Amino acid sequence: NAGVMQNPRHLVRRRGQEARLRCSPMKGHSHVYWYRQLPEEGLKFMVYLQKENIIDESGMPKERFSAEFPKEGPSILRIQQVVRGDSAAYFCASSLGTANQPQHFGDGTRLSIL
Amino acid sequence: AQSVTQPDIHITVSEGASLELRCNYSYGATPYLFWYVQSPGQGLQLLLKYFSGDTLVQGIKGFEAEFKRSQSSFNLRKPSVHWSDAAEYFCAVALFSGGYNKLIFGAGTRLAVHP
Repeated sequence: NAGVMQNPRHLVRRRGQEARLRCSPMKGHSHVYWYRQLPEEGLKFMVYLQKENIIDESGMPKERFSAEFPKEGPSILRIQQVVRGDSAAYFCASSLGTANQPQHFGDGTRLSIL
Repeated sequence: AQSVTQPDIHITVSEGASLELRCNYSYGATPYLFWYVQSPGQGLQLLLKYFSGDTLVQGIKGFEAEFKRSQSSFNLRKPSVHWSDAAEYFCAVALFSGGYNKLIFGAGTRLAVHP
């Protein structure tokens, strides 16, 4: 499967725990985007990364959320000290990087907070 | 501010009937527009995109969309709906900044298909 791979597909955490969501972009793609979809809503942009750099994090909550895209390995979205309101589907997308290239989405990680 | 409006939250059609899903956008420059489809528990699949040129664009699965600048619209159409088209459909506009784009999505339209 040469598509965007996200894992885990489902993640359950208790309040106060940490959640780590992983995203491997399509082969050849060096640009990664994270979006969040709250129940019954559309997707909202969170952060855009290139290898080893955060380019735009204007959609990230100011606290508890962080993202990285290391030189080797997948992109990671980390949520510390999770709260009930973090329950959502988190989608990763990747692109070739030029502005007119479409983004290709993974199947998402459904995060549930007990 | 840039935004995308999908006025219809739910639409129900009969199998074989025609379909039109509405999308209006607010964007200062020439927009790049997209339609994505999301099946339950799945990610988003790109149906079609408009960047420039012919305002009627063809996509996968028999879908097409027409860009109308005067109406700030990019409506999705299909002449004959199949039961497998039941899903949620999202319209999006690309917001450009510094050589990359981030997508602004509408709230989605959930399509149900009656046999």
